[in-house]
Amino acid sequence: QQQVKQSPQSLIVQKGGISIINCAYENTAFDYFPWYQQFPGKGPALLIAIRPDVSEKKEGRFTISFNKSAKQFSLHIMDSQPGDSATYFCAARGNTGTASKLTFGTGTRLQVTL
Amino acid sequence: DTEVTQTPKHLVMGMTNKKSLKCEQHMGHRAMYWYKQKAKKPPELMFVYSYEKLSINESVPSRFSPECPNSSLLNLHLHALQPEDSALYLCASSQIWTGNQPQHFGDGTRLSIL
Repeated sequence: QQQVKQSPQSLIVQKGGISIINCAYENTAFDYFPWYQQFPGKGPALLIAIRPDVSEKKEGRFTISFNKSAKQFSLHIMDSQPGDSATYFCAARGNTGTASKLTFGTGTRLQVTL
Repeated sequence: DTEVTQTPKHLVMGMTNKKSLKCEQHMGHRAMYWYKQKAKKPPELMFVYSYEKLSINESVPSRFSPECPNSSLLNLHLHALQPEDSALYLCASSQIWTGNQPQHFGDGTRLSIL
């Protein structure tokens, strides 16, 4: 119940295209859903986060869509650029007990080609 | 540049050595974390410190010994490590442990055990 399932494992998108990464969770105690971007040799950097009281959050080219009833959330990267090539991790966390720990998805390696 | 600083960036040690990893943040955060990350995998939580007290130990072997000397510093003391302990060790911090505060990661220490 602590798992966060992430897909796809890897993704190749042309420059200017839309990258879409999906995540699903089971634990209804989760109420905070961040996305992290990690470049090789660097630590994960917080990209954008959403709480379940909103269905969508947009920051620049990055948008999180959230479907509470389906327990799914996704990251959309519009106008993808080669500089977006990185590994993306979705994550989830609750407010109490074992859900307080940040649970990561398995990661998606995104490659944006010219 | 991240606001969580980790030193050293790289460390090679033998199985009988004793070494320490250091993490520093000056954001006034009262929760600090150690994570272990293997290649192509998400970070795995090891320890959580909240207000300089150890709150969570994820059943980590005693050859890893954390220490929080003050609210800005977090150390990880290493002794008699095994080759399978080779990984990227990440430090993170957040305002507080609960309340769904975003976690900010350092760039990690790449540890190799010979």
